[in-house]
Amino acid sequence: AQSVTQPDIHITVSEGASLELRCNYSYGATPYLFWYVQSPGQGLQLLLKYFSGDTLVQGIKGFEAEFKRSQSSFNLRKPSVHWSDAAEYFCAVGLPGGTASKLTFGTGTRLQVTL
Amino acid sequence: GAVVSQHPSRVICKSGTSVKIECRSLDFQATTMFWYRQFPKQSLMLMATSNEGSKATYEQGVEKDKFLINHASLTLSTLTVTSAHPEDSSFYICSAASPGETQYFGPGTRLLVL
Repeated sequence: AQSVTQPDIHITVSEGASLELRCNYSYGATPYLFWYVQSPGQGLQLLLKYFSGDTLVQGIKGFEAEFKRSQSSFNLRKPSVHWSDAAEYFCAVGLPGGTASKLTFGTGTRLQVTL
Repeated sequence: GAVVSQHPSRVICKSGTSVKIECRSLDFQATTMFWYRQFPKQSLMLMATSNEGSKATYEQGVEKDKFLINHASLTLSTLTVTSAHPEDSSFYICSAASPGETQYFGPGTRLLVL
């Protein structure tokens, strides 16, 4: 079964600083990879996804992620963080296939942004 | 596009009563809907997967008689928590997807059982 590890439970960065959130997955092949963001008391919003092709994926709100097969990683990055980016970030993997597949979520990384 | 709604956004009920939560895909047809449960400051745990017109597939450890799921149309799935108890208090989130597409999540429903 696939699994997802987000090694950082909590990260604090200053507004304007760069950000990298780590995500490692375990799966026999290349899964579908996702990053979601959740504000307090809210549902999840899709930031970006990787299915195949270019390993550098651009998402919404200025986020990007890079798939590295050799490291089984899909780290999320943003060059300059805004205070409104403070939230919980979840990495998820899904099985490749023709239909919507179950997602396995990491435990999440809480991002705090200081002014 | 790809908007998913949930109703109600929060509900308080007495122990022993049943609560129904609706999940709707507003601008697309969702052949598959998923129901998740999230405890405070924890990740999402998949409860069940439902395909339109079929019985839901429950994850191990989820009581299907307690968490009734109905996916009667391509835009609506319901989760009914039967005979709710305080330990059922949680944040319930649904997601919806059409074939081969990404899951889009609803805003969640906070259930408090007194």
